[in-house]
Amino acid sequence: KAGVTQTPRYLIKTRGQQVTLSCSPISGHRSVSWYQQTPGQGLQFLFEYFSETQRNKGNFPGRFSGRQFSNSRSEMNVSTLELGDSALYLCASSTDLSSGANVLTFGAGSRLTVL
Amino acid sequence: DQQVKQNSPSLSVQEGRISILNCDYTNSMFDYFLWYKKYPAEGPTFLISISSIKDKNEDGRFTVFLNKSAKHLSLHIVPSQPGDSAVYFCAASRNTGKLIFGQGTTLQVKP
Repeated sequence: KAGVTQTPRYLIKTRGQQVTLSCSPISGHRSVSWYQQTPGQGLQFLFEYFSETQRNKGNFPGRFSGRQFSNSRSEMNVSTLELGDSALYLCASSTDLSSGANVLTFGAGSRLTVL
Repeated sequence: DQQVKQNSPSLSVQEGRISILNCDYTNSMFDYFLWYKKYPAEGPTFLISISSIKDKNEDGRFTVFLNKSAKHLSLHIVPSQPGDSAVYFCAASRNTGKLIFGQGTTLQVKP
């Protein structure tokens, strides 16, 4: 059973550019969540999608957006990149997070560096 | 507002001894707590969880303890092995699609 796949694994952008990250969840998983990991901050919740609908959103500016497709694959986009957006972006999937223990399966992440 | 805190950034333990990782939280509405382990260049992997109605959950070498009155949970690893060296994150949820993570504790198990 394939795990959560994130692409690209590494990318470098410059300030002001935008970036799109992709996530393919585990087959059968309908919930996809995105987290940002920076040193000393742990994992910060960005948003969660279920059946193409955003169910939860974290405290990030509107430059951060996402969407989910009918096949459960998800993308997140960051516009007008800032140096502080340099981070590891993690995608996680689950069957459904609305009940029980929220066990997420994470991908390896996309490492974004903004110069 | 950091609702979940891991106050020890790092911990070093001798192989075979017990590792105790701690986590504090502020929101009494959390109903599930989880621990994840992360190796470099990999995503976090689920380790063990505990419901707020329990005070202990055990899985092999790993035991999680929950003290609701103190809003504190801990992960015990006995015996510790070099392969346990990783970053450990605790997380909490309120039965929604959102996990609140701590900052992580780097565990080093020395042979």
